[in-house]
Amino acid sequence: TQLLEQSPQFLSIQEGENLTVYCNSSSVFSSLQWYRQEPGEGPVLLVTVVTGGEVKKLKRLTFQFGDARKDSSLHITAAQPGDTGLYLCAGALGSGSRLTFGEGTQLTVNP
Amino acid sequence: EAEVAQSPRYKITEKSQAVAFWCDPISGHATLYWYRQILGQGPELLVQFQDESVVDDSQLPKDRFSAERLKGVDSTLKIQPAELGDSAMYLCASSWTSGGGYHGELFFGEGSRLTVL
Repeated sequence: TQLLEQSPQFLSIQEGENLTVYCNSSSVFSSLQWYRQEPGEGPVLLVTVVTGGEVKKLKRLTFQFGDARKDSSLHITAAQPGDTGLYLCAGALGSGSRLTFGEGTQLTVNP
Repeated sequence: EAEVAQSPRYKITEKSQAVAFWCDPISGHATLYWYRQILGQGPELLVQFQDESVVDDSQLPKDRFSAERLKGVDSTLKIQPAELGDSAMYLCASSWTSGGGYHGELFFGEGSRLTVL
């Protein structure tokens, strides 16, 4: 069983649409990160959230950490083709503990 | 801009052969990670180093995989013998020492794509 469950696994939308992807667990995390990975490259960090209920915005991307620090969501407003990629959430159960990745959501934004 | 360097970028080998990957982390990063990523899935941690010491290799198949970071700088991941199921992207990442109650940012290299025939 996966420590972090991401949904949906695949998402294909048209440019300009909004979308939300989810990252869920039964475990409590000390911190949770979101990465984006483009084909043939390594993941790149988008955001780190550490406080339950925290909301962070990065241009058209809004990240939320659940109150109980067990889940997170990523909302993209007015998606663009450049947003296409594999979105990965990654959580750490405690300070210095391993960072575990979810299976990812493959997003395709069509022009 | 400092980057994590990995080589080779691509490697094709036959099963039962030996293969090695090299990683040079960002200068000053004490923590180095090797992840394995199967196409379309998330990265899976194989081994984590703090300086030259292994701090987590619980997911490393030790009968065929080995990793070292002798001087606490660059690192090598070896597979011997390679099996068909080892075909994957091998990602190296580095970070400042994690702590302070949250995990620091991982900086990934471009990866080494292994195909075992």
